[in-house]
Amino acid sequence: GQNIDQPTEMTATEGAIVQINCTYQTSGFNGLFWYQQHAGEAPTFLSYNVLDGLEEKGRFSSFLSRSKGYSYLLLKELQMKDSASYLCAGTDSNYQLIWGAGTKLIIKP
Amino acid sequence: EAGVTQSPTHLIKTRGQQATLRCSPISGHTSVYWYQQALGLGLQFLLWYDEGEERNRGNFPPRFSGRQFPNYSSELNVNALELEDSALYLCASSLTTYTGELFFGEGSRLTVL
Repeated sequence: GQNIDQPTEMTATEGAIVQINCTYQTSGFNGLFWYQQHAGEAPTFLSYNVLDGLEEKGRFSSFLSRSKGYSYLLLKELQMKDSASYLCAGTDSNYQLIWGAGTKLIIKP
Repeated sequence: EAGVTQSPTHLIKTRGQQATLRCSPISGHTSVYWYQQALGLGLQFLLWYDEGEERNRGNFPPRFSGRQFPNYSSELNVNALELEDSALYLCASSLTTYTGELFFGEGSRLTVL
C-alpha cells in the first residue's frame, strides 16, 4: 500500500531548531515534497527532493534517503511565524502526490 | 501574475443538495487538481484534470465529479450532499502533466447542515 507517516504535532521554542520527520511507502517513487500550511490558508511549496541528500534553502533544509524511505524538514532559527502545519507528500510511479496528514508545529516564545 | 482563484470562498448547503465549486488555474497551467481537507485531516486527493481530460480520481464516490473547460478552468460538483462532505476544498494547478510543484488556491469552505 501507499502511506506517508509524520508526527501529528510538535512544539519548539523561538530561536531553536526543529526537525520534522516523514517516512513514506509508495508504489514507485518520483520525489518528495514539503509544503507549509498556515491555519485557514492554502498550502505553499517549501521544497522538493528527488535525489538523496540535503537541500538547503535559507532557514529551511530538507533531507531525503530513498533507500530508507525517509525524509526530514529542518527549520533553523525558529520564528513565531513558522507556527503552521507542515505537509509531507511523496510522488508515486504515476507522479501522483500521496499526502501525509501534516505535522502541526507550535512555536513558543 | 494572478494565482489560482477559487469561488465561492464559503458555501452553506443542506443535506441532499448539490454544490458546485469553481477554480481558475494560473495562466499557462494545464493541470488542475482537486483536494478535500476535512478539519484536522490531511489532503485527500479527489480529481486530476489535464488538457480537458480526467486523468485520475481518488477514492471518493461517484457523486463527486467535475470537469475541465477549454480555458483550463475547472468545476467540482458534489451531488446528494452529506454532512461529512463539510470540508475545505482546495484546487491546485501545475505547469506540467506530472505533478511537479503545485500552486494552491485559497479554497472553498463547504458547510453541509
